[in-house]
Amino acid sequence: DAKTTQPTSMDCAEGRAANLPCNHSTISGNEYVYWYRQIHSQGPQYIIHGLKNNETNEMASLIITEDRKSSTLILPHATLRDTAVYYCIVLNNNDMRFGAGTRLTVKP
Amino acid sequence: DSGVTQTPKHLITATGQRVTLRCSPRSGDLSVYWYQQSLDQGLQFLIQYYNGEERAKGNILERFSAQQFPDLHSELNLSSLELGDSALYFCASSAGTSGRNEQFFGPGTRLTVL
Repeated sequence: DAKTTQPTSMDCAEGRAANLPCNHSTISGNEYVYWYRQIHSQGPQYIIHGLKNNETNEMASLIITEDRKSSTLILPHATLRDTAVYYCIVLNNNDMRFGAGTRLTVKP
Repeated sequence: DSGVTQTPKHLITATGQRVTLRCSPRSGDLSVYWYQQSLDQGLQFLIQYYNGEERAKGNILERFSAQQFPDLHSELNLSSLELGDSALYFCASSAGTSGRNEQFFGPGTRLTVL
């Protein structure tokens, strides 16, 4: 599975959009991009996933570049409860390999 | 609430001992995954079972073993415990066999080895 690179930490103001980048330059054609988050020491929570097209659900939007080498997770109106570690994962059909993720802190 | 339950919530034991962690998947899910999260290693995939059979193996030590029972609950057995085994152990479940299926995580079991 392709390796991902994410910033270690980011801050966002409450009510503003949080844009979390992920670099996956070695992604192959049949590998999906997944996002999970972990709030404090709770179990990780699925957010969204995509292959080529941009995706949107009730939690977030996922923007994947045309060359698929990077993606951005967008939380449109961040709240304090969105403070968490966000993991970008690229996988084909194998086990989920979590990296260090991005620690997002939403500030009032 | 993900629908995945794990027991116990906390476990404190001594080095050299053996413990069993239990996981009940979401209703209808056939796959169970086990993960270990320690401070220095992050979230590490250990093993996956699908409908009673081992499907994928990750960084699971030989001292650790798991199984999935006919009622689909799973147990992770950790033996000859060492201080470094202290960690959060998460169970997740999904409907299918593929890692692409959305995984639902339980609240975890915090293991402390003294």
